[in-house]
Parts: sequence; structure tokens; C-alpha cells
Amino acid sequence: GQQLNQSPQSMFIQEGEDVSMNCTSSSIFNTWLWYKQEPGEGPVLLIALYKAGELTSNGRLTAQFGITRKDSFLNISASIPSDVGIYFCAGQDFGNEKLTFGTGTRLTIIP
Amino acid sequence: DVKVTQSSRYLVKRTGEKVFLECVQDMDHENMFWYRQDPGLGLRLIYFSYDVKMKEKGDIPEGYSVSREKKERFSLILESASTNQTSMYLCASGIVGEQYFGPGTRLTVT
Repeated sequence: GQQLNQSPQSMFIQEGEDVSMNCTSSSIFNTWLWYKQEPGEGPVLLIALYKAGELTSNGRLTAQFGITRKDSFLNISASIPSDVGIYFCAGQDFGNEKLTFGTGTRLTIIP
Repeated sequence: DVKVTQSSRYLVKRTGEKVFLECVQDMDHENMFWYRQDPGLGLRLIYFSYDVKMKEKGDIPEGYSVSREKKERFSLILESASTNQTSMYLCASGIVGEQYFGPGTRLTVT
């Protein structure tokens, strides 16, 4: 199946820095989701976006639904050690219950 | 909070064994999904169900079957386990626009 292009693939940052990652698709989606997965665990839903241009926050996390409906962005402000993990985007077509997932961004925090 | 539970976190089975993976959700969701996750291949959909006794094949259904006799429970069955089915198996449940995942089952087939 199709995978969405997610960049960067990995990030090494220092604690306190801000983080930005994005996800792009060749097709339009009606919903964008962002998940975080820690080692040995299932993905946890962080933010769901339903409208083009929508900007939604969850604590230090902010995500945006791109105007073209073909991309989405996730920002993490003032990173802390527990932000470590793999972040996945996912898109959903209207009327389709299935999700298309991104390739993931692995976030590592350097002490 | 949505809760999706999976019957085992770790499982070791022998080649040829029949394997049952159970998933239970407590949010009365219509939709339930089974994925496998492998390094470099991402999350791949095996089967999903949008109602009791209804099922749809995902991207990689070969070697698997599913059962949904009750709304809250979705089972994945490996009829005859093979070593290439060693993987992390993730169950999810959801409504339109959102899916919530369980903690996963790490299955090793020897």
C-alpha cells in the first residue's frame, strides 16, 4: 500500500529546542492524524485535524492541516526527554475507513 | 479515555501452530483493525471490520483470518504460523477520522 512521505526521517536535537516535521501526499485527504510511538508500544493519537488550514494544539504540540489538503505539519516546542519516540502522520480519505500512514520521524534528544 | 487491550504483549509460537490474537475495545466503536508493523515496512493493514460479523481484507491478508462475533472484540487468527509472520501486531479501533491503538503483541514464530 501507499505510504506518505514524512520528513525528516530522523532528528537529533538538544533538550529545549523546538522540533518541526511534515508529511506530504500525492492525493487529497479529509483528515490528518499525528501519532507518537515509543519502543515496544502501540502508537498513541496526539492530534486529529479535520479542516484545511486548521491549526490545533495539544500542550506543547501544534499541528496544521495544509491548505492544499495534501500535507500536514507537526511542531513540538521546548522539547523534553519524554518526547523521544517515532512520530507518524496518517491521512484518511472521505468515506474510507482506512488510514494511509507516513514513514515516521524518529526523534532523539541529546543530553 | 479510549482503551484498546490486546491479549498478550509477547508470544512465542512454533511453525505450523494455530495462533489467536485477541483485541478488546471499550468505546463501542464500529470499526476495528489489525495491522502488522515491521522495520522498514511501516504499518500494514491485514484486515478490518466495520460491524459485527463483517470483515474486509486489507493490504496483506494472506495467511490470516479474523473473527468479530461481538462489537467489542476482534480476533486475528494465524491458521498455520510461519516464521515470516514474526512481527509486531497492532489492533486499533475507531470512528470516522480517528483510530486508537492497543499496546501491541510481539509475536515470534520459531
